[in-house]
Amino acid sequence: AQKVTQAQTEISVVEKEDVTLDCVYETRDTTYYLFWYKQPPSGELVFLIRRNSFDEQNEISGRYSWNFQKSTSSFNFTITASQVVDSAVYFCAHSPGGYQKVTFGTGTKLQVIP
Amino acid sequence: DAGVIQSPRHEVTEMGQEVTLRCKPISGHNSLFWYRQTMMRGLELLIYFNNNVPIDDSGMPEDRFSAKMPNASFSTLKIQPSEPRDSAVYFCASSLTGELFFGEGSRLTVL
Repeated sequence: AQKVTQAQTEISVVEKEDVTLDCVYETRDTTYYLFWYKQPPSGELVFLIRRNSFDEQNEISGRYSWNFQKSTSSFNFTITASQVVDSAVYFCAHSPGGYQKVTFGTGTKLQVIP
Repeated sequence: DAGVIQSPRHEVTEMGQEVTLRCKPISGHNSLFWYRQTMMRGLELLIYFNNNVPIDDSGMPEDRFSAKMPNASFSTLKIQPSEPRDSAVYFCASSLTGELFFGEGSRLTVL
C-alpha cells in the first residue's frame, strides 16, 4: 500500500523567508505520480503540480520549486520569498498511475507572518 | 470553463436523517472521486469511479454510505441514516490525466 508522510505539521515563517515543505512516500509501484495541492483558509483544494516517477527533473514555477529524488523517496516543495498569501495547508499525494486512487499525506500548515 | 460543482455547500441535519450530496464533474473528465476531510482523519478517499463504473469503494465507512454515478455528468453520495460522526467536509473531484480537480466541498453537520 502507498503511504505519504509529511512530518511537518505546522511551520511558521516571516514574510520573504524561504521555506521547504517535506514529503516522503512509500510505494511498491514502478511507475507512479506525485502531487502537491494547496488548501487556503477558504477551504478549496487547488492542484499545484504533478510529477511522473520516471522524470526526476526538478521544476521551478515562479517562487515555487519542487525537488524530486527517487533515491530518498522524497518530493519536497520550496517556496522562495514567502508571502502572506502562501499561508495554507499543503498536501503531498501519490497515485499508482493511470486512473487510480490518490493517497494524500496529512498536510503541512504553513503560516507566513507579515 | 466550469469546475467541479457540488451541492449543497452546507447541510445541517439531525441524526437519523438521509443526506444526499451531489457532484457534477468537469465535462470530459472520466474519473470521479469522493473524499471526506476531518481534523482527526485528514483527507480520506471514500470511493472512485472510472467511466461511471465504481472501481474502489474500500474507503466507504460502512453500509450507511452509498455512491452512484448514473452518467458522466452526475454523481451522488448518500448517507442513510446519518450519524454525528459523519460530520465532515465532503469533496468531489474529477480527473482526466491523473491530477484531481476538486469542488468547493459540502460541509455536513449532523446534530
